[in-house]
Amino acid sequence: DTAVSQTPKYLVTQMGNDKSIKCEQNLGHDTMYWYKQDSKKFLKIMFSYNNKELIINETVPNRFSPKSPDKAHLNLHINSLELGDSAVYFCASSPPTGQGENIQYFGAGTRLSVL
Amino acid sequence: AQTVTQSQPEMSVQEAETVTLSCTYDTSESDYYLFWYKQPPSRQMILVIRQEAYKQQNATENRFSVNFQKAAKSFSLKISDSQLGDAAMYFCAYRSHGSGNTGKLIFGQGTTLQVKP
Repeated sequence: DTAVSQTPKYLVTQMGNDKSIKCEQNLGHDTMYWYKQDSKKFLKIMFSYNNKELIINETVPNRFSPKSPDKAHLNLHINSLELGDSAVYFCASSPPTGQGENIQYFGAGTRLSVL
Repeated sequence: AQTVTQSQPEMSVQEAETVTLSCTYDTSESDYYLFWYKQPPSRQMILVIRQEAYKQQNATENRFSVNFQKAAKSFSLKISDSQLGDAAMYFCAYRSHGSGNTGKLIFGQGTTLQVKP
């Protein structure tokens, strides 16, 4: 069973479109994250949710909107896609701070290509 | 704000030899976690090793070990008996500890490791 699963793995779309990436974790973790890996492979946090509550929003354009229907899911919706949004997006989850081993478990990533 | 720096964009090692990847970080915090993640061509992020700053003993996981120098803010990864499967991009990462921290990982720029047969 995959611990953190993202769908789709690949997403090719035109500029201006709206798209969503879904993430689900079956680890029972309370905290989930979205990271962006750019073309130079640099990884940076975008959002974090703890028990469905937003706790990190790292100056991401408001075209990006995370949604957490429950603590096992954190989806990423992107409006009006731009060329610069092309990247690999990773979902991750971790147990609450002070519990477990404070390790973040990553999904396999979604490669988004905006044409 | 915390920063993580990996000064070696690329490294190369002969199979069965040992290689060390460098990582330095900057923080004013006294308690935190440090990680090394491996990203093979499949792009999956795989945890290699983890170190808690309050522990003086260097972490080891089989062929992987770290040299954690807290005063120097250095956290290098040593891979012994390198194998072809070790070829990947390696990321050093920092995470704050303590109440109120958001748990986000701050990554270095990554080091691409090539293993030659």
